[in-house]
Amino acid sequence: EDQVTQSPEALRLQEGESSSLNCSYTVSGLRGLFWYRQDPGKGPEFLFTLYSAGEEKEKERLKATLTKKESFLHITAPKPEDSATYLCAVRVLGNTPLVFGKGTRLSVIA
Amino acid sequence: DAMVIQNPRYQVTQFGKPVTLSCSQTLNHNVMYWYQQKSSQAPKLLFHYYDKDFNNEADTPDNFQSRRPNTSFCFLDIRSPGLGDAAMYLCATSLIGSREQFFGPGTRLTVL
Repeated sequence: EDQVTQSPEALRLQEGESSSLNCSYTVSGLRGLFWYRQDPGKGPEFLFTLYSAGEEKEKERLKATLTKKESFLHITAPKPEDSATYLCAVRVLGNTPLVFGKGTRLSVIA
Repeated sequence: DAMVIQNPRYQVTQFGKPVTLSCSQTLNHNVMYWYQQKSSQAPKLLFHYYDKDFNNEADTPDNFQSRRPNTSFCFLDIRSPGLGDAAMYLCATSLIGSREQFFGPGTRLTVL
């Protein structure tokens, strides 16, 4: 069974304190790994897609990396506005729907 | 701006009273999805349409049904809502063959 596990469940950082969120997956035939940001009471907002091991994507203070077993979302010098839940999802063979992790709830304190 | 729109944003219904949630999109995407998301949980896929082809997840309760009258609109019908159906309902779209899904803002359903 395809599984996506995110850790930690919750993370509290001081403003400027860099850290990483983890998404590990056990799937057969990965066809893409996705990161989303979700603010309370809103729908997920697309951040990145990663397709192959070694690939990296960056956007402002966020950098996503991918290996054959996991992905990391690195947050450099976070600001309070980066506080949100970050969701990881994977797509496997064919046109199958995304499999989501439960998310990491990030709080950045000023 | 091209987007996914959900109405209403907040819906309150009574136990057992049918309710319909709507989703529309201006992205001209041919795939539409309905997810249920409860607090601190991952979005759970209920159904999806590839164009007009309806795909129901095996564990989606019979109480939930969907309609897609045209490319732009999709509806989620809950025939007899129970207290356990209170959740955020998310609509998403994508192109067939494309991997990214784009989500609407969600509808928060409360069941009294």
